[in-house]
Amino acid sequence: AQSVSQHNHHVILSEAASLELGCNYSYGGTVNLFWYVQYPGQHLQLLLKYFSGDPLVKGIKGFEAEFIKSKFSFNLRKPSVQWSDTAEYFCAVSPANNAGNMLTFGGGTRLMVKP
Amino acid sequence: DTGVSQDPRHKITKRGQNVTFRCDPISEHNRLYWYRQTLGQGPEFLTYFQNEAQLEKSRLLSDRFSAERPKGSFSTLEIQRTEQGDSAMYLCASSLGSGVIYGYTFGSGTRLTVV
Repeated sequence: AQSVSQHNHHVILSEAASLELGCNYSYGGTVNLFWYVQYPGQHLQLLLKYFSGDPLVKGIKGFEAEFIKSKFSFNLRKPSVQWSDTAEYFCAVSPANNAGNMLTFGGGTRLMVKP
Repeated sequence: DTGVSQDPRHKITKRGQNVTFRCDPISEHNRLYWYRQTLGQGPEFLTYFQNEAQLEKSRLLSDRFSAERPKGSFSTLEIQRTEQGDSAMYLCASSLGSGVIYGYTFGSGTRLTVV
């Protein structure tokens, strides 16, 4: 079975700082990779995804993530965070050969951006 | 609002009681997923439906749990003889197809507290 590890549970940054959230997964086969975000009081929303092609994917609100197959990683980045990026971020993986696309989530990283 | 609706938002129940949650997905979405999220953890897959057929169940779904999706529209998740360990946020998500291309749309969840 696959698993997902998010190394940082809590991150505090000042506005305009750069962000990188780590995500590593364990699975021997081809995977689909996702980042979901949960803003305070809201439901989980898709931030970006990778399933094939260019390993550098861009999502909403200036976020991007890079799939590095050799490192089993899919780290999330943003060059300059804003106070409105305060949220909890979840990395998730599903086996590409799984028709059900059931996601395995990491434990989440809670980001606080100070104004 | 054309999002995923879950009812109730909160449920407090005594140990041993039965509870039922409802999820109304986005109408054109043929897939519906149930996840469970405990404090400090990411969501864990429970089960999913394609139209009215329940295609996969996690081993987390003990025989006290049952889910239905009659007519392929709304879904219910019932927990019989609740235990304190069932306290969690129960999330419903829907997708058009597998959700790889467009991701899932999550509801806001039902928070269950078993006392």
